[in-house]
Amino acid sequence: DQQVKQNSPSLSVQEGRISILNCDYTNSMFDYFLWYKKYPAEGPTFLISISSIKDKNEDGRFTVFLNKSAKHLSLHIVPSQPGDSAVYFCAAPATGNQFYFGTGTSLTVIP
Amino acid sequence: KAGVTQTPRYLIKTRGQQVTLSCSPISGHRSVSWYQQTPGQGLQFLFEYFSETQRNKGNFPGRFSGRQFSNSRSEMNVSTLELGDSALYLCASSFTGGANGELFFGEGSRLTVL
Repeated sequence: DQQVKQNSPSLSVQEGRISILNCDYTNSMFDYFLWYKKYPAEGPTFLISISSIKDKNEDGRFTVFLNKSAKHLSLHIVPSQPGDSAVYFCAAPATGNQFYFGTGTSLTVIP
Repeated sequence: KAGVTQTPRYLIKTRGQQVTLSCSPISGHRSVSWYQQTPGQGLQFLFEYFSETQRNKGNFPGRFSGRQFSNSRSEMNVSTLELGDSALYLCASSFTGGANGELFFGEGSRLTVL
């Protein structure tokens, strides 16, 4: 049972435009969400997080939006750069360090 | 500060064999968790250790086991390998092991079962 879902396996965007990556979850008890970025042959690295008490968190070019009523979050990258090409995972914590991860969205930023 | 180190990075085994993967967490981190990544499945939680005790276990068969040593280093073992065990195995460490924290991942051990 996939508690965190990323329904778009891939996304292509022109350099300089906005990238929007989406994530849905099923458990309304989740109170914290994270986005990780993964390059080939490397482990995932933490990108940005958001607490359920907020509906937006911004860090430079990266902004995460949370819509609790829709159980939906999205990651916006503006402007997109070729170095942003990677696989992006959203995640939510269960207990301890057990996290539920989505299946990932592969972002390609075209120069 | 050294990151999370996983060894070996790549390995090939045949069905029925067993494998042991090693993970050295970031210095000072007491929590180590393991994830399996396969195409189309994202990262699936295997187990988490904190101060040498298994705190959580994911929905994997008993062929998957792990342990943590007093220096926080961790190993995971897979016995009686099956073709479906081919995957990238990722180790992640965290200082507190609590929720609302972030995980620091190693580069992974890519296992191929023939």
